[in-house]
Amino acid sequence: DTAVSQTPKYLVTQMGNDKSIKCEQNLGHDTMYWYKQDSKKFLKIMFSYNNKELIINETVPNRFSPKSPDKAHLNLHINSLELGDSAVYFCASSQGTGDQPQHFGDGTRLSIL
Amino acid sequence: GEDVEQSLFLSVREGDSSVINCTYTDSSSTYLYWYKQEPGAGLQLLTYIFSNMDMKQDQRLTVLLNKKDKHLSLRIADTQTGDSAIYFCAEGQGGKLIFGQGTELSVKP
Repeated sequence: DTAVSQTPKYLVTQMGNDKSIKCEQNLGHDTMYWYKQDSKKFLKIMFSYNNKELIINETVPNRFSPKSPDKAHLNLHINSLELGDSAVYFCASSQGTGDQPQHFGDGTRLSIL
Repeated sequence: GEDVEQSLFLSVREGDSSVINCTYTDSSSTYLYWYKQEPGAGLQLLTYIFSNMDMKQDQRLTVLLNKKDKHLSLRIADTQTGDSAIYFCAEGQGGKLIFGQGTELSVKP
């Protein structure tokens, strides 16, 4: 199936730990994104990458480090997890860097204990 | 500003039409979007409209765009219980999506 897929779907961990979320798309898109959805369902962009290059960094704490090994993958590593990091993290992809429809993965629900 | 505003809740009876409204701020957006999120699920791109169009129809869905008032609406005809979800309006701004707060649609049998 053509899709944006994220792993893991659920992540439960202790405060202070380091964790990674992976994202892959096989839609042939060249731009990928990370969005955060908080407990009130509010969605906000964190990062976007185009052809492995960072193009949007939306004042996210530097504990969050995205990495794009190729244009089909965008991973998110989070250091020293805090309670406020509990959220659903969505990966998305689109063709091009302009205003184009973005296709989302199913999300990773991160819970910090 | 970056505000996209939606009402938070809408309740309808099965078979009725639902209309979800949204106001946005950036008149330079190329597209405006509607996404659907079912409980515990991801974001599904439901439909989108090019900013120089007034209306787009796709089966039971009708999108109306009033560019002068920066108002977008989504009409769902013959609403079914399977349409119960949160609907997000979004505008494109410089390669990122700015989302509204989401409208929770509840469909009663």
